[in-house]
Amino acid sequence: SAVISQKPSRDICQRGTSLTIQCQVDSQVTMMFWYRQQPGQSLTLIATANQGSEATYESGFVIDKFPISRPNLTFSTLTVSNMSPEDSSIYLCSVDPGTGTYEQYFGPGTRLTVT
Amino acid sequence: QKEVEQNSGPLSVPEGAIASLNCTYSDRGSQSFFWYRQYSGKSPELIMSIYSNGDKEDGRFTAQLNKASQYVSLLIRDSQPSDSATYLCAVNRGSGNTPLVFGKGTRLSVIA
Repeated sequence: SAVISQKPSRDICQRGTSLTIQCQVDSQVTMMFWYRQQPGQSLTLIATANQGSEATYESGFVIDKFPISRPNLTFSTLTVSNMSPEDSSIYLCSVDPGTGTYEQYFGPGTRLTVT
Repeated sequence: QKEVEQNSGPLSVPEGAIASLNCTYSDRGSQSFFWYRQYSGKSPELIMSIYSNGDKEDGRFTAQLNKASQYVSLLIRDSQPSDSATYLCAVNRGSGNTPLVFGKGTRLSVIA
């Protein structure tokens, strides 16, 4: 598995502002993913972030709202832009360490509250 | 979006009993299947992966896969109060390294 950290662990933000969430992995990985987990719900994939290419967004998620950077094989950021209370959620990054098992491991998550 | 379905629960079992968690999926092309455990306020933790029909055992956990029926299950033997959590079934979208689709999870409560 991989050791994954996220910053910040939680934040309270005002509507209309933006927040950038960082995801750091202790080893080089090709595949990183960003998920959202709304209160009481399961995980919804926002986008897949591969180093060296543009992120691939899922239906319902757009780059203008959730821009993603992947500057190297150990780091990625997700920005939640022009936030509204509906963006209140837990945001999780996950990685596939590339062992051929297709297992994904999750970071501790960022709990975002938008007021 | 391909679907993964689970009973939301709560599933309550007495301590020491076997807990049985079930999951069905709609994409016949799926090749990889995973069970995650999520404690309240924590992120999902991978506990089992299975790729072939049949059973796979790891300690008190047994994953079962039936691709013909598009059915995955997780058995927890000798259930402990510390097993109380939400269990998420996840399926890849097809063959190879593809994103996972998660079920809504089953909340398990083990009663001491």
